[in-house]
Amino acid sequence: DAGVIQSPRHEVTEMGQEVTLRCKPISGHDYLFWYRQTMMRGLELLIYFNNNVPIDDSGMPEDRFSAKMPNASFSNLKIQPSEPRDSAVYFCASTSGGGSNYGYTFGSGTRLTVV
Amino acid sequence: AQTVTQSQPEMSVQEAETVTLSCTYDTSESDYYLFWYKQPPSRQMILVIRQEAYKQQNATENRFSVNFQKAAKSFSLKISDSQLGDAAMYFCAYFYGGSQGNLIFGKGTKLSVKP
Repeated sequence: DAGVIQSPRHEVTEMGQEVTLRCKPISGHDYLFWYRQTMMRGLELLIYFNNNVPIDDSGMPEDRFSAKMPNASFSNLKIQPSEPRDSAVYFCASTSGGGSNYGYTFGSGTRLTVV
Repeated sequence: AQTVTQSQPEMSVQEAETVTLSCTYDTSESDYYLFWYKQPPSRQMILVIRQEAYKQQNATENRFSVNFQKAAKSFSLKISDSQLGDAAMYFCAYFYGGSQGNLIFGKGTKLSVKP
């Protein structure tokens, strides 16, 4: 398996633009997570899905952030409109059965810079 | 609420020597899981080792081992025979299955390895 695949690896955009981050989880994993990493706040869980259904989105900072998982092999995270304070590394991770035994497998992350 | 604390923002070790990274956590649960993740400059989050709270035996993975003290809520990582490739950020993480899959991270410790 190729692991969790995220795209793009880097994204630079202007304030006010829409940004879409993409994730392909490991086949067979039924949980998918979106994390944000910043120097100030560390790794924060934004939202997670189980069997394509959003379970907890309490970490999504504002209504400007939205995430969907239309099928078991794809999820996206959108920011509209983007702001400079959204600059961070965004990670997608997946696991099976709630992650109790194996931890989560992370993608390589997308570094977002909003100028 | 569960919290994870890594009190050492930075550590340094000489190549071939041993280093211990500290982690404490706060929880009222008795059954949970603990993990150490490594994040090298490539940004990839890599699972290093995991510990199940109901097991008294400390986990080991090659040069990596943990000292799990459940009563003290302490979970330190020992790296033996340190190698240049061990230089990275190390994150301690706590998982409680009852919270539907939320993996909580500490702020991380940056490890430097000197040749």
